Amino acid sequence: NAGVTQTPKFQVLKTGQSMTLQCAQDMNHNSMYWYRQDPGMGLRLIYYSASEGTTDKGEVPNGYNVSRLNKREFSLRLESAAPSQTSVYFCASSDWVGGSSYEQYFGPGTRLTVT
Amino acid sequence: TQLLEQSPQFLSIQEGENLTVYCNSSSVFSSLQWYRQEPGEGPVLLVTVVTGGEVKKLKRLTFQFGDARKDSSLHITAAQPGDTGLYLCAGDDFGNEKLTFGTGTRLTIIP
Repeated sequence: NAGVTQTPKFQVLKTGQSMTLQCAQDMNHNSMYWYRQDPGMGLRLIYYSASEGTTDKGEVPNGYNVSRLNKREFSLRLESAAPSQTSVYFCASSDWVGGSSYEQYFGPGTRLTVT
Repeated sequence: TQLLEQSPQFLSIQEGENLTVYCNSSSVFSSLQWYRQEPGEGPVLLVTVVTGGEVKKLKRLTFQFGDARKDSSLHITAAQPGDTGLYLCAGDDFGNEKLTFGTGTRLTIIP
């Protein structure tokens, strides 16, 4: 049971290049998320998917697109990378644990540098 | 936009000391979670508090949810080097499955 996996772990891009960050979970969770983490700013939600085939914008969606390929996989695409997108990206999935409470499980992160 | 402010931003103390970190907001949350993140890894859930005034203990860690469900605190007794990490609080906006994360407290325990 690997939990949430992300690839790649590190990536360096030049301004204007494109790339896709991959995420997969094996916990049969319905909801999946993409966050970015910048120093002093905690985690900010980029996109969210409540179920296969649905996606919703988060707090900072500009410059990104997502695809919920199936229940397991949720990818994040940068079409034209900019230096402001230098960050650590985390994928997460969540499961309800009773009542109105749920738990999020995070992947190990992708450290992206755009030069 | 809901905001969660954590204080202090950085904390460095000696092994064996006690400490408290705070998570404050002007918004009400249905529940509040605390995560710990170690370098190079993703956050890991420590606890979820749901009821206003609730206190939960996890070994040497004590978590409290404010009566008005706008704030929370994490108290660590007799800190150990293994407690070192980034502590994040996160509020749940009444079950919509989108968490609002705090700014984080980076804790260093000196042996």
